[in-house]
Amino acid sequence: EDQVTQSPEALRLQEGESSSLNCSYTVSGLRGLFWYRQDPGKGPEFLFTLYSAGEEKEKERLKATLTKKESFLHITAPKPEDSATYLCAAGTSGTYKYIFGTGTRLKVLA
Amino acid sequence: EAQVTQNPRYLITVTGKKLTVTCSQNMNHEYMSWYRQDPGLGLRQIYYSMNVEVTDKGDVPEGYKVSRKEKRNFPLILESPSPNQTSLYFCASNYRGGTEAFFGQGTRLTVV
Repeated sequence: EDQVTQSPEALRLQEGESSSLNCSYTVSGLRGLFWYRQDPGKGPEFLFTLYSAGEEKEKERLKATLTKKESFLHITAPKPEDSATYLCAAGTSGTYKYIFGTGTRLKVLA
Repeated sequence: EAQVTQNPRYLITVTGKKLTVTCSQNMNHEYMSWYRQDPGLGLRQIYYSMNVEVTDKGDVPEGYKVSRKEKRNFPLILESPSPNQTSLYFCASNYRGGTEAFFGQGTRLTVV
């Protein structure tokens, strides 16, 4: 069964305290690993797509990496405005479905 | 402005009263889908459409219908809503299957 698991469920960081979010996936065939940010009451906003193991993408304080079993979202020196829920999703080959994890709620304290 | 537009944003209805949630995108995307988001369960795909007149079931299709008669529109139909369909619904569009999704603002549905 296709599955995406995110950890931790929630994370509190002090401003400037770097950390990583984990996304483990088990899918029959990966057609892209996607990261999104979701603010309360809003739709998810696209951050990154990774297609191959070893691939890395960066944007400001965020860096996403991919292995054959998991993806990490590294947050370097976070700021309070980085507080949000971060979602990862796996696109499945063959069926073209998307499987989402339940997200990591990040709170960055000033 | 490129966007996915859902209507209505909020809806309270009674059990069994048919309803439609509309979704429209202006990006000429081939792929569109509907999700529901529930606490502790995350986003789950209800139905998706690879292109006009091509739809398929996601992981939680029971109780829902969709149609894709035009490329830009992908309405979600609940023919006989039940309280367990109370949820936050999102429509999304992708350039094609396997690419990133652009989400609408969400529709909060309450079925009493």
